[in-house]
Amino acid sequence: TQLLEQSPQFLSIQEGENLTVYCNSSSVFSSLQWYRQEPGEGPVLLVTVVTGGEVKKLKRLTFQFGDARKDSSLHITAAQPGDTGLYLCAGANDMRFGAGTRLTVKP
Amino acid sequence: SAVISQKPSRDICQRGTSLTIQCQVDSQVTMMFWYRQQPGQSLTLIATANQGSEATYESGFVIDKFPISRPNLTFSTLTVSNMSPEDSSIYLCSVPRADTQYFGPGTRLTVL
Repeated sequence: TQLLEQSPQFLSIQEGENLTVYCNSSSVFSSLQWYRQEPGEGPVLLVTVVTGGEVKKLKRLTFQFGDARKDSSLHITAAQPGDTGLYLCAGANDMRFGAGTRLTVKP
Repeated sequence: SAVISQKPSRDICQRGTSLTIQCQVDSQVTMMFWYRQQPGQSLTLIATANQGSEATYESGFVIDKFPISRPNLTFSTLTVSNMSPEDSSIYLCSVPRADTQYFGPGTRLTVL
């Protein structure tokens, strides 16, 4: 089993601030996925990163896959209350999730 | 994409009873997954359900406690047996499609 550690576990910030969430493992992943889950719903896929060093952007969200494919980060620029949710990373072929980062963006 | 529905959406049950959760997918899939999400936590994989074979359970989960059925390629059930308050969680099913996992909305279970 490939374990994924996420940090921070909780994050509460003001609207307009920037933030970074980390997903780390001692194992190499062929690809990693980031999901966001809102209350009362299942997780929804945001992005899949495949290549070491890869950077993907989704509007104000920037995802990076580490060169060694053992870690990934999610950076949100100018956070908005609509970004509030639980952010989860998962090995794409492993079906197992990190512990998650619960983000709250206050207006 | 995939459209997944779950029934019931929520339930409150007495300890010692059992609850069967249904998961319906809008198209045929080979693999379905069942997860548990305890309050404030991430998702924990319970088991993988393939049609035509017995489910494969993760460490810490056993068939006697969480029996799973997979009668066809669009449907699965998870039963939470002999419930205790520690079983209070959200239970989600998911299916993989095109390198993406699609999740049902979850079943919120409260055991008194």
